[in-house]
Amino acid sequence: DGGITQSPKYLFRKEGQNVTLSCEQNLNHDAMYWYRQDPGQGLRLIYYSQIVNDFQKGDIAEGYSVSREKKESFPLTVTSAQKNPTAFYLCASSIDPLGTQYFGPGTRLLVL
Amino acid sequence: ILNVEQSPQSLHVQEGDSTNFTCSFPSSNFYALHWYRWETAKSPEALFVMTLNGDEKKKGRISATLNTKEGYSYLYIKGSQPEDSATYLCAFITNAGKSTFGDGTTLTVKP
Repeated sequence: DGGITQSPKYLFRKEGQNVTLSCEQNLNHDAMYWYRQDPGQGLRLIYYSQIVNDFQKGDIAEGYSVSREKKESFPLTVTSAQKNPTAFYLCASSIDPLGTQYFGPGTRLLVL
Repeated sequence: ILNVEQSPQSLHVQEGDSTNFTCSFPSSNFYALHWYRWETAKSPEALFVMTLNGDEKKKGRISATLNTKEGYSYLYIKGSQPEDSATYLCAFITNAGKSTFGDGTTLTVKP
């Protein structure tokens, strides 16, 4: 089945630790996105990538890093510089940068 | 940060009522306006992609209109059903491919 997967479903981070959230798609989409959702708020764009080996900062990129070495993968690292990482993280992809986005199931990150 | 606003924040209606929500967005650098439906415990799913001023789209009982000159889009649901209960999100897409979502309108339809 074609789709977009995220792992893990839940992730726990200790103080000062970097953690990486996985996002994989087999839809052959060029564009991929990372969003963060906090309670009572909508989706805020962290990073997006329109093509392999290229990515741009979204509205809340500080404390996060990404890579796009393969078309199907767009991992997000939450660094120790992100002081308030507890949130729900959604990954999405689209066939091109302007098209409908397809979302993964999300990862909930909690701080121990 | 672009300002995309949705109203109302939440809405409670009776089964059979018709309802509508608003998405307001900047009138510059517009490329597209997306509507998504997000049900609890599921991922957001696309409803409509709207690109042209005056666009009207329809899917079953749900329809949407777009006014890019004044920067707003309306989503209408005719004869609401309990299964329409969800959060409805709009996303403003710039011609550079950047997406900005509103905070959503949460609809609850009571049987």
